[in-house]
Amino acid sequence: DTEVTQTPKHLVMGMTNKKSLKCEQHMGHRAMYWYKQKAKKPPELMFVYSYEKLSINESVPSRFSPECPNSSLLNLHLHALQPEDSALYLCASSSSGTGVYEQYFGPGTRLTVT
Amino acid sequence: AQSVTQLDSQVPVFEEAPVELRCNYSSSVSVYLFWYVQYPNQGLQLLLKYLSGSTLVKGINGFEAEFNKSQTSFHLRKPSVHISDTAEYFCAVSEEETGFQKLVFGTGTRLLVSP
Repeated sequence: DTEVTQTPKHLVMGMTNKKSLKCEQHMGHRAMYWYKQKAKKPPELMFVYSYEKLSINESVPSRFSPECPNSSLLNLHLHALQPEDSALYLCASSSSGTGVYEQYFGPGTRLTVT
Repeated sequence: AQSVTQLDSQVPVFEEAPVELRCNYSSSVSVYLFWYVQYPNQGLQLLLKYLSGSTLVKGINGFEAEFNKSQTSFHLRKPSVHISDTAEYFCAVSEEETGFQKLVFGTGTRLLVSP
């Protein structure tokens, strides 16, 4: 199983709402990533978890709060978002340790903030 | 820091014609290079990767790429494209960290295949 799943596929939320994005993988990967992708742009790295610990936060606003409750799950909690946060949010996972490993991407959650 | 340049934002081509998508990277001691494809409304799928060894790398769907250290390039090629190859193609370089990889993407090239 080389699949990364993301739910929901689409999400529309108001600026005062609280919502969460979920990502799951069962490949035994211990590195998980959140990316944000605006239309016609490349993915931008937001967060990296390695062995369930936050390793990278690319200066992401605090209205985005990541969580890695176990080695298979990655959540992104959203609160008080702005319309400019509307984008495709991609989750990825990879093996970790010494060496270079490919990242496997999920299909993404398309978020619209109204 | 590593960086990747994809000079062509869009490449139009007719079906069954050959295509080359260009990618240049910033020079570094260790270079790990990837090509990903993104079909409309989907995530990214790995086409191929260069980690070491043979400079000609073969990937899925008939794509190949050649690592050229002297020209700091990693161009993607396909001898005969199909309509279904219409997608966004991203070249990426990996910065190896401890326990994970940080991917740095180029700006992408949209391949448009017409009949």
